[in-house]
Amino acid sequence: EDQVTQSPEALRLQEGESSSLNCSYTVSGLRGLFWYRQDPGKGPEFLFTLYSAGEEKEKERLKATLTKKESFLHITAPKPEDSATYLCAVPDQGGSEKLVFGKGTKLTVNP
Amino acid sequence: SQTIHQWPATLVQPVGSPLSLECTVEGTSNPNLYWYRQAAGRGLQLLFYSIGIDQISSEVPQNLSASRPQDRQFILSSKKLLLSDSGFYLCAWSVKGQGYQPQHFGDGTRLSIL
Repeated sequence: EDQVTQSPEALRLQEGESSSLNCSYTVSGLRGLFWYRQDPGKGPEFLFTLYSAGEEKEKERLKATLTKKESFLHITAPKPEDSATYLCAVPDQGGSEKLVFGKGTKLTVNP
Repeated sequence: SQTIHQWPATLVQPVGSPLSLECTVEGTSNPNLYWYRQAAGRGLQLLFYSIGIDQISSEVPQNLSASRPQDRQFILSSKKLLLSDSGFYLCAWSVKGQGYQPQHFGDGTRLSIL
C-alpha cells in the first residue's frame, strides 16, 4: 500500500492562475513531511519541512500546509519559472532513516 | 555549507560492462547516504542507504551493489550491466535524525545501456 499519494499527476496553469497540489499520506505518527522541486535532468531540490498539523511554511509564491492526513502546496500567481515536478515525502513507517516519496505532480505554467 | 557531488553526469555503457558511480559530500560529517533510481512515471526508488562506513542496507534485489569506503563517499557499482539498469541515478545525504531530517540530492547521473 502506497504511503504517499500525490494529485494531480499533471497540472497546467496560465501565468497568474493560482492553484494547489495535494499530497496525502497514510503513515501514523507523522515525523515530518517534506516538499521538493525537481527540474528536468536535475536532482530534487528541498523546499520545506512540516512537522505538525496546522503548520505552514512559505517561500516566494509557494506555501505549504499540513493537516493530519494531507499536505497542500499552494502556488499563488505562478510564473513560467515555477514549472517543475513537485515531490512530497514522509519518513518510512519503520522508524528508519528512509523517506517514502510520492510520484510527483508535474506543473506547467504557460506565459 | 554542505554540498554533494555526483559524477559523471551522463554515461553510456554497453551491456555486460562494469559500472562505478561516485558520490561525495562536503561540509558535514557522519551523514546518512542514499542511492536512488528514478524511472519515468515510477517515482524515486531507494536502492541502498548507509548510516556509516561499511554499513550498507540494500532495498531491492538487483544487479547493483554499493560501498562506502570513507565517511563522505558513496559508490554504486555493477560487475555486468543489464539493459534494465538504464535510468537516472541520484545520490542523497541527510543529517542523522530518525527520519525527521530532509534528504539533499545531487544532480544525478543519466545512465544509458546499449
